Formats: sequence, C-alpha cells, structure tokens
Amino acid sequence: ETGVTQTPRHLVMGMTNKKSLKCEQHLGHNAMYWYKQSAKKPLELMFVYNFKEQTENNSVPSRFSPECPNSSHLFLHLHTLQPEDSALYLCASSQVGGAVYEQYFGPGTRLTVT
Amino acid sequence: TQLLEQSPQFLSIQEGENLTVYCNSSSVFSSLQWYRQEPGEGPVLLVTVVTGGEVKKLKRLTFQFGDARKDSSLHITAAQPGDTGLYLCAGQETSGSRLTFGEGTQLTVNP
Repeated sequence: ETGVTQTPRHLVMGMTNKKSLKCEQHLGHNAMYWYKQSAKKPLELMFVYNFKEQTENNSVPSRFSPECPNSSHLFLHLHTLQPEDSALYLCASSQVGGAVYEQYFGPGTRLTVT
Repeated sequence: TQLLEQSPQFLSIQEGENLTVYCNSSSVFSSLQWYRQEPGEGPVLLVTVVTGGEVKKLKRLTFQFGDARKDSSLHITAAQPGDTGLYLCAGQETSGSRLTFGEGTQLTVNP
C-alpha cells in the first residue's frame, strides 16, 4: 500500500446509526487531518492531529468524534448524523516541522445520511 | 483565517486551447499548492511554490507565485480532455501548518 488509504469508499447510514471511517497513511508523516467537502463549498478542515495529539477542532459538532491511536492511523466515529452531513470526507497527512507543509490526500469516503 | 479566491469557478473549453486559472488573496502565504481532483477521488498534489515570483513547469502546466506571495496562477497550454477536473489552490498560512483552500475551478476540456 502506498500513500493515504481510506475505507470505506462509500457509506450510506441512517440518522440513528453509528459508523466509523478509517484512514491510514504509509508516508511516514507525523500529522493527519480530516476534511469535509460539500458541493459548491471550499474544503472545510475538521480536525488536525500532530504527533497523535489533537491540535485543532474547528467547531465540529460532537456527533463527529475523531481518534488517532498512532501517527499512521486516523478514525472518524459517526453517530446520530443529520442529512446535511452527507458529503465527501477526506483524510490527509503531512510532515510538519519544516518550512513547507504539503498535504497528501486519500481518495475519500462518500457519505450519505438518509 | 486567510481567504483565497479562485477564478473562474467554471471553465469549458475545446481541446487544444490555452487557459489560465487565478488564485488571489489579500494575505501573504508561506507557500502555495495546486491540486487536481477528479470526481469521486481525493485531491492530488500537482506542485508547491514557495518563493515570490517563482515559476514551475509540469509538462503543459505552468505555475507562478506572485512576487508578494499573495496570489498564484496556473496556465495550461494546449489543453487535453485528460486535463478535465477540479483545480484547487491552497495557501499555507504564515502562522503554521494550516492550509486555506480556494473554492476551486471546474475545468472541462471537450474533445
């Protein structure tokens, strides 16, 4: 496996379900990110983890719960979502500590909340 | 939070034409990155520009960073249908590692 992988690629869930999105990076990076991409909106940064520690939470509702057990894996736990949460959820990783931070993205999980 | 504006939002051209996409801000960025995203996939990093006035070329794509590091442009020469996609610019904020993304330019190249 190379780069950043995400599973599942597609997910349909009801508003009362609980599900988790998984992201794994094989680039040796020390930071990982969750983004939400909705139609006609810029990418929205949700969470940032540096060295497994959450360093940013951009006012994301508590129905989204991130988990970063190590610098290679990132999860997004979902519960009691709303239809407006339907979007493409993207994971990214980067190497922080230098002057330039390039982010590398996974293929995303297309989430539909019914 | 620093903002980035991309223009145009949509662009539909014929194969063989040239085009330029713009990315503008009133803020200074440490670096600026360009990505291309295809439907159902994540953005793929094309290039990073760091120095004011820097020009980078990637085959038929030419990227330029403004002298003041507030704006950037992407020029495609002799566009091909394979260039179709959503082009995103992202500026690295001077305060840290956060990237600010533009809304993107949806390019369609018709054969």
